[in-house]
Amino acid sequence: EPEVTQTPSHQVTQMGQEVILRCVPISNHLYFYWYRQILGQKVEFLVSFYNNEISEKSEIFDDQFSVERPDGSNFTLKIRSTKLEDSAMYFCASSGRTEAFFGQGTRLTVV
Amino acid sequence: AQKITQTQPGMFVQEKEAVTLDCTYDTSDPSYGLFWYKQPSSGEMIFLIYQGSYDQQNATEGRYSLNFQKARKSANLVISASQLGDSAMYFCAMRDSISSGSARQLTFGSGTQLTVLP
Repeated sequence: EPEVTQTPSHQVTQMGQEVILRCVPISNHLYFYWYRQILGQKVEFLVSFYNNEISEKSEIFDDQFSVERPDGSNFTLKIRSTKLEDSAMYFCASSGRTEAFFGQGTRLTVV
Repeated sequence: AQKITQTQPGMFVQEKEAVTLDCTYDTSDPSYGLFWYKQPSSGEMIFLIYQGSYDQQNATEGRYSLNFQKARKSANLVISASQLGDSAMYFCAMRDSISSGSARQLTFGSGTQLTVLP
């Protein structure tokens, strides 16, 4: 069964550093997403991506964040100048017209 | 604006019994999709079942079925023959403008923690 793959599964970074979270969506999907879940809280939408550009973004997705699909298979989320409050589980998702599948997540810890 | 409400923060069920997890939604878009995900303690988000607003029949996937009541705007998840491995957080989610082909976001409810008792 096709799946969304995220790397790394865990990332620890120092405050102020930049991190890049990587995702390989399902190959025939057209829509890609990043979500985050702070421990014990709701799943929050960050950004959606379609046809090589951002389709929607939430108010969380400010200038600190950027997304890229550099090579037609990978889909990356870059977080610049990380803050303690960026510590969360980050999920990548991809979908066709209907179902949406999530990766296993990257647990980011900012220290 | 979309809204998803899960009113049960926690539920308990005896092993082998059926359990219903509630979800209500609100949208003005006639074209939308409803999703249920399972999140075990390991953290991954596992897709369970999908129901489109125009689907004529309630969705079923193995032991999971979706009790879709459009007029009441509810999309309850029914898990039959509960197993210990079903213990997890369950999220209901919705995406509108399904027919538009755009990358519309999923909006999640707050989740229900299900515990299956032996």
